[in-house]
Amino acid sequence: GQQVMQIPQYQHVQEGEDFTTYCNSSTTLSNIQWYKQRPGGHPVFLIQLVKSGEVKKQKRLTFQFGEAKKNSSLHITATQTTDVGTYFCAGARGWGKLQFGAGTQVVVTP
Amino acid sequence: EAGVAQSPRYKIIEKRQSVAFWCNPISGHATLYWYQQILGQGPKLLIQFQNNGVVDDSQLPKDRFSAERLKGVDSTLKIQPAKLEDSAVYLCASRRTSGSSYNEQFFGPGTRLTVL
Repeated sequence: GQQVMQIPQYQHVQEGEDFTTYCNSSTTLSNIQWYKQRPGGHPVFLIQLVKSGEVKKQKRLTFQFGEAKKNSSLHITATQTTDVGTYFCAGARGWGKLQFGAGTQVVVTP
Repeated sequence: EAGVAQSPRYKIIEKRQSVAFWCNPISGHATLYWYQQILGQGPKLLIQFQNNGVVDDSQLPKDRFSAERLKGVDSTLKIQPAKLEDSAVYLCASRRTSGSSYNEQFFGPGTRLTVL
């Protein structure tokens, strides 16, 4: 079956630094979505990427979908304490069904 | 608009007992999902409803888990009997089926289940 892998599992970042988290699928995806889950909270939708090679930006967050539509990345610049949480990618293969990765837990040191 | 509502927020039971969770999706959202999120893992889909019909329940342990969505609105998820490994957060999510953001899933606060 479809597998969605995320690396790294944990990311410790100094405030102000940049980092990237990666997502890889074993199969081609129709689209990929990113969610953020704050500690003790529930997943909240960040963005959806649909087109091959698509790049989208949300303030300090840059999301990219690979040419083969099997991988994606999230790059955060100038990390802030508000970026703390777990970032999940979720691959879709139609009909609204998502396969979530295990997430990257981000800890920010002031 | 009001978000996805779930109850209870917390539940502690002993193994072999039964438990039920309730979800009220965002008004007008035809698609409803139940996920199981074990600590340190991503949400795992248990069942997907479109209105009151099941679209996907391939990962639902049907010997102990059941779910229904009567009248295509509220939904309940039941576990009977519970096992220790069922300890997790059970998340309900809903989605529109048309519109520019129709793929976005809106999650409820979840029910944290502890099985002793």
